[in-house]
Amino acid sequence: EAGVAQSPRYKIIEKRQSVAFWCNPISGHATLYWYQQILGQGPKLLIQFQNNGVVDDSQLPKDRFSAERLKGVDSTLKIQPAKLEDSAVYLCASSPQGKETQYFGPGTRLLVL
Amino acid sequence: GNSVTQMEGPVTLSEEAFLTINCTYTATGYPSLFWYVQYPGEGLQLLLKATKADDKGSNKGFEATYRKETTSFHLEKGSVQVSDSAVYFCALRIQGAQKLVFGQGTRLTINP
Repeated sequence: EAGVAQSPRYKIIEKRQSVAFWCNPISGHATLYWYQQILGQGPKLLIQFQNNGVVDDSQLPKDRFSAERLKGVDSTLKIQPAKLEDSAVYLCASSPQGKETQYFGPGTRLLVL
Repeated sequence: GNSVTQMEGPVTLSEEAFLTINCTYTATGYPSLFWYVQYPGEGLQLLLKATKADDKGSNKGFEATYRKETTSFHLEKGSVQVSDSAVYFCALRIQGAQKLVFGQGTRLTINP
């Protein structure tokens, strides 16, 4: 069974530029999560989808971050415009509906200069 | 609010040493508790979990017991190996929600 796929693996941009990350969850997993992991900290949930609906986006900085999961499968997270403090690893995870174990992708490491 | 506190790292041990990584939590209600591990260059993987008080989770020689009275979920292993070198994250999930709340992580290095 293929795991959670993310791309790109690394991205370097300058502040005020835009960037987008892509995630393809494990086939059949209804729930998809985006986490932000700043160096030296644990992952923090940005947004959770159940199929193509948003369940929790309370910690998403909505003035600059957006995410979508239009067909209830893969998802895109966008930052526009980026700030220096957005430098982090962005993790995507998925889980089957009603199950608590989350399966994580390898992450996208973002550096904002 | 809901939070997880782990012991400060990094932790460096010799092979075959006994390992303890402390984890305490604050939560509303009765959370499920998890340990995730992140090996170099890889994504987070579930190591073990416990869903109610006094449950013991175990995997790959690691164990952790859900202690409600001390709000703790300490990770232990009797004899560590070089291959156990990784970053370990303690996490909780509160009832009725699916999101995980993570501790800050503890980097473990095992020397041969």
